[in-house]
Amino acid sequence: QVQLVESGGGVVQPGRSLRLSCAASGFSFSGYGMHWVRQAPGKGLDWVAVIWFDGSYKYYAESVKGRFTISRDNSKNTLFLQMNSLTAEDTAVYFCARGDSHTRGFDYWGQGSLVTVSS
Amino acid sequence: DVVMTQSPLSLPVTLGQPASISCRSSQSLVYSDGNTYLNWFQQRPGQSPRRLIYKVSNRDSGVPDRFSGSGSGTDFTLKISRVEAEDVGVYYCMQGTHRWTFGQGTKVEIK
Repeated sequence: QVQLVESGGGVVQPGRSLRLSCAASGFSFSGYGMHWVRQAPGKGLDWVAVIWFDGSYKYYAESVKGRFTISRDNSKNTLFLQMNSLTAEDTAVYFCARGDSHTRGFDYWGQGSLVTVSS
Repeated sequence: DVVMTQSPLSLPVTLGQPASISCRSSQSLVYSDGNTYLNWFQQRPGQSPRRLIYKVSNRDSGVPDRFSGSGSGTDFTLKISRVEAEDVGVYYCMQGTHRWTFGQGTKVEIK
């Protein structure tokens, strides 16, 4: 069965960096685009970034462009999100989600990883 | 960017009664291939989102048939024919035509 497991979250000071990982299993990871979506405490869902199946295309929400970098290692079935220059507004649960090219939606989600930016 | 606007934001419903959520986009969601990439997600308390509906009206595997989606262009609706206790949560529309944008969410609770 499809599984997505995020890790790497925690408490970080403003201005510092953090790297999230998403370990995928149960499907052919190299055949799917992957996304990061975040949810601030008590708030709604906010799309963050996408990476094409082969890493050839990446796109970011304006709120994170220039600070966050999405990447993947298809040999290790793992998705990453490098987050730099973090601010309190980046505090959220970060979900990885599998992209479904036929529906341009997200058909599987991880359980999320909490990132708290605080001094 | 495409803005997705849901209403209502809070929806108290009686068990066994129908419920309806509206979602409007700031631009047409018809893609160049003729498809309309409008999805609906359910997020139960403490859980990750789960997709219910894709391409306006197609139910995902395992989704009860009391959930239905409809609409076109810029106006879309999610309907629950008879609300059950397990339907409590927040429902989000999301467009995938112009990259990806979520609505604000509609909280469904039992009266």
